[in-house]
Amino acid sequence: DVKVTQSSRYLVKRTGEKVFLECVQDMDHENMFWYRQDPGLGLRLIYFSYDVKMKEKGDIPEGYSVSREKKERFSLILESASTNQTSMYLCASSPLDRAVTRYEQYFGPGTRLTVT
Amino acid sequence: ELKVEQNPLFLSMQEGKNYTIYCNYSTTSDRLYWYRQDPGKSLESLFVLLSNGAVKQEGRLMASLDTKARLSTLHITAAVHDLSATYFCAVDEVQGAQKLVFGQGTRLTINP
Repeated sequence: DVKVTQSSRYLVKRTGEKVFLECVQDMDHENMFWYRQDPGLGLRLIYFSYDVKMKEKGDIPEGYSVSREKKERFSLILESASTNQTSMYLCASSPLDRAVTRYEQYFGPGTRLTVT
Repeated sequence: ELKVEQNPLFLSMQEGKNYTIYCNYSTTSDRLYWYRQDPGKSLESLFVLLSNGAVKQEGRLMASLDTKARLSTLHITAAVHDLSATYFCAVDEVQGAQKLVFGQGTRLTINP
């Protein structure tokens, strides 16, 4: 059974703190993604990675950075958290090869981050 | 730039009724996904539609894809309360790594 896990379900941080959100997948997927979800806006892509140490900006990368040192782990970093980064953060992974049967993204349970 | 729009954004319906959620997208794509999200939970994959005319069904849900019209529909037949959730469509940008662009989501409430 495929599995994507995230380090915390709920997180409360103060403005200016450095925040790490961790995501681990056990499916040997090459692609990994970080989204944020806000009411009425759907999911918006922050960063993605298609290989170890590779990263690409998504649609809303400002204020975020990422790290992928191992294939199974993708971290999202908020260097200095701000209140407008209060949101639900979802991690996902997918295989690289479009030809595979299950070429789709699998999502983790999400981390609800509140910045006060 | 690929844009994906769903309508309606909110839908309240009675059990036993039929309804359709629409997903329009702005540029060519070869793959469209439907996901379900329950409150406080993550996204669960429902359907992957790969070609023009593709139709997939699971229980009371049926999804179809018209790539020429750039339109997908999610049809609910004889709704039951358990189908209450938020439904998202997402379109694959095709080029490079798999980048999905999501619609805003449709919050479906089914009343007894």
